[in-house]
Amino acid sequence: KQEVTQIPAALSVPEGENLVLNCSFTDSAIYNLQWFRQDPGKGLTSLLLIQSSQREQTSGRLNASLDKSSGRSTLYIAASQPGDSATYLCAGDSNYQLIWGAGTKLIIKP
Amino acid sequence: NAGVTQTPKFRVLKTGQSMTLLCAQDMNHEYMYWYRQDPGMGLRLIHYSVGEGTTAKGEVPDGYNVSRLKKQNFLLGLESAAPSQTSVYFCASTPSGSGANVLTFGAGSRLTVL
Repeated sequence: KQEVTQIPAALSVPEGENLVLNCSFTDSAIYNLQWFRQDPGKGLTSLLLIQSSQREQTSGRLNASLDKSSGRSTLYIAASQPGDSATYLCAGDSNYQLIWGAGTKLIIKP
Repeated sequence: NAGVTQTPKFRVLKTGQSMTLLCAQDMNHEYMYWYRQDPGMGLRLIHYSVGEGTTAKGEVPDGYNVSRLKKQNFLLGLESAAPSQTSVYFCASTPSGSGANVLTFGAGSRLTVL
């Protein structure tokens, strides 16, 4: 059964630091991968979608990459800001199902 | 604003009571989904629909029923609520079933079963 691990489960860093969030799948057969942001008490907002033909996507200070050979994805956040504080979730498309990680709770300290 | 709207946002039930969660989208999306989110776990798919009049079971369908009588609405029902159904429920939609489509989520419905 395909499972997803997000490491770390929680992260607290000072404002301005660059940071990396990780997402690993037990089965490397991932076709598309999405990263989402969830603010407390809110729904999920899509940040980046890496389609099957792509290896990475960038949006502003965010960069997501997918290594299909290892089934690992990273979300890189440059020059972090307090407004980046949220839970970040990854979801992979495997065998026509979307498999979700439990998320990384990120706190950016001013 | 266009998007996915869930009602109610909060609900407290007693064990054995029934209720219905409503999800409405105005983006003309074909696919709609109901997920539950529990602490420390990834989202789990309860039921989904690939179009008006169709529904299918997801990963954790037991204790829930759904209906998609209109394309824009997807209802999630609990016939006899149990404490194990205490959770946050999210509705989402996509234009099609491809994993290359971005999911659009509602704000969530927090359900507590006493």
